[in-house]
Amino acid sequence: QVQLVQSGPELKKLGGSVKVSCQASGYTFSGYGISWVRQAPGHGLEWMGWVSTLMSHTDYAQKFQGRVTMTTDTSASTVFMELTNLTPDDTAVYYCARDKTMATRGDFDYWGQGTLVTVSS
Amino acid sequence: DIQMTQSPSSLSASVGDRVTIFCQASLDIRDSLNWYQQKPGRAPNLLIYGASKLKTGGPSRFSGTGSGTHFTFTISSFQVEDVAVYFCQQSDSLPFTFGPGTKVDLK
Repeated sequence: QVQLVQSGPELKKLGGSVKVSCQASGYTFSGYGISWVRQAPGHGLEWMGWVSTLMSHTDYAQKFQGRVTMTTDTSASTVFMELTNLTPDDTAVYYCARDKTMATRGDFDYWGQGTLVTVSS
Repeated sequence: DIQMTQSPSSLSASVGDRVTIFCQASLDIRDSLNWYQQKPGRAPNLLIYGASKLKTGGPSRFSGTGSGTHFTFTISSFQVEDVAVYFCQQSDSLPFTFGPGTKVDLK
């Protein structure tokens, strides 16, 4: 069965950086894009960006441009999201989410369990 | 960016009730509209994609309609396990954006 398993919770300091991993299993990794979506406590869902698992292509939300980097390790069926220059406003649960098909983007049919990132000042 | 709005922000329903949630996009998104259910402490779960297509294996009491800028999500017969927050999301253009959510609880 399709699974996305994310790395564990992180506690970071103001100005630091965090790298969250998302390991996929149960399907052919290459070809299905992965997005990262975050949810601050008690708030809604915010799309951060998308990475292709087939080519070295990314699309980031303008809000995160310059601070976020999404990469893939095809040999390990793993996607990474690194966010730098952290502030307390970055405290959130970060999810990876898979596109439903190889031909579509943005319809997320499988999600990771979420990774809580807490930023202290 | 395309702004997504939802109404109502919350509602209470009894078992067996018909529940309807509305979602509006600030621009024409054709049928690129998805609906998710999120239960406390859990990741969102895709219910409807392409405005009206039920995800395989999803309960048939969930349905979606609409195109362009106005969309509707319906639970035909509300069940206890449907207590959750429901989000609409557009996948027409980047950045993908979500509605603020509709909290549905048990009356």
